[in-house]
Amino acid sequence: EVQLVESGGGLVQPGGSLRLSCAASGFTVSSNYMSWVRQAPGKGLEWVSVIYSGGSTYYADSVKGRFTISRDNSKNTLYLQMNSLRREDTAVYYCARGGSSGWYFGYWGQGTLVTVSS
Amino acid sequence: QTVVTQEPSFSVSPGGTVTLTCGLSSGSVSTSYYPSWYQQTPGQAPRTLIYSTNTRSSGVPDRFSGSILGNKAALTITGAQADDESDYYCVLYMGSPVFGGGTKLTVL
Repeated sequence: EVQLVESGGGLVQPGGSLRLSCAASGFTVSSNYMSWVRQAPGKGLEWVSVIYSGGSTYYADSVKGRFTISRDNSKNTLYLQMNSLRREDTAVYYCARGGSSGWYFGYWGQGTLVTVSS
Repeated sequence: QTVVTQEPSFSVSPGGTVTLTCGLSSGSVSTSYYPSWYQQTPGQAPRTLIYSTNTRSSGVPDRFSGSILGNKAALTITGAQADDESDYYCVLYMGSPVFGGGTKLTVL
């Protein structure tokens, strides 16, 4: 069974850093494309970043240069390093596994809340 | 920058049929955008309903169907039930995935 469990969220001051983790089970992270998607309070879903099986990474313009997606194959875990955090980064962050056909989000974690506030 | 458009809200009667759409601010949606659809209830993670235009994700009832209607992707719910009351999001892949703003569906 595919499972994704995010952790690492919390309260951080503007300008601070935080690292989110997404522990995967039931499949191999490095064999799939993996994404981070976020949802600000009361708002819609927003794609943040993707890492492909070959290691290529891509980011939304809103986080480019501040966030870094990575994975640890030995731990079968996906990460999102978030630096220079802004109030508008406040959101629930979901990790998602890519699908097997086409391009879509096939499986979702339960999310972790990041609050950027002083 | 191309925006993915969805109806902000929609209402359907129990047992009725509703079609939600997913368009582009400029241009037409085709299968090459790999349209996908997600259902989300408050406080919950999204659930994948449809991918690659019209393929149902595992466990999704067949009253949910996807298609291309005219120049938009469409999600049709046939025989709406009370627990279909949710937010529905489409995603189009344009080199990177872009979410629509979501449709709040009310069943009443």
